[in-house]
Amino acid sequence: DGGITQSPKYLFRKEGQNVTLSCEQNLNHDAMYWYRQDPGQGLRLIYYSQIVNDFQKGDIAEGYSVSREKKESFPLTVTSAQKNPTAFYLCASSIDGVGYEQYFGPGTRLTVT
Amino acid sequence: DAKTTQPTSMDCAEGRAANLPCNHSTISGNEYVYWYRQIHSQGPQYIIHGLKNNETNEMASLIITEDRKSSTLILPHATLRDTAVYYCIVRVSYNNNDMRFGAGTRLTVKP
Repeated sequence: DGGITQSPKYLFRKEGQNVTLSCEQNLNHDAMYWYRQDPGQGLRLIYYSQIVNDFQKGDIAEGYSVSREKKESFPLTVTSAQKNPTAFYLCASSIDGVGYEQYFGPGTRLTVT
Repeated sequence: DAKTTQPTSMDCAEGRAANLPCNHSTISGNEYVYWYRQIHSQGPQYIIHGLKNNETNEMASLIITEDRKSSTLILPHATLRDTAVYYCIVRVSYNNNDMRFGAGTRLTVKP
């Protein structure tokens, strides 16, 4: 089955620790995205990548970092500099960054205490 | 991207048509209307999109007014599984990095 996988579904960390969220797709999509969602709100774009080895900041990139070493993978690191890291994180991909719809993974719910 | 306005919540009876409105009065000529939905604690799911003409697929129909300042998503025979938050998004076709998800409309389908 083709799709986007995010693991784990739930993640717990202590404050001050960096944590990396996994996102893998086997759809052969060039573009990938990371969004953050807070309770009762819409999605906000953190980072996006239109091609391997290239990525751009979204609206709320501070405190986050990404890499795109492989087409299939776009991991997101939530650093200790992110002041309010507890949220629902969603990864998405699209055929390219131009005009196609985005396909979303199931999300990772991160709780930092 | 043009700002969209959607009602916060709506109810619909199971088996009836659900009509979800969206206002986008400042839409530009090169901006498309996209609809996604998000079932609780899952990733959003693409439903449909359009530019000027009405569109229909296996999930829904999209009706765009002639002046393009508003649109309506129609789920023809709503089921309990259609209970979700529905997002109306307006964006230019050539920029997938400009997807702006607002708060959406929480649709509750009732038996």
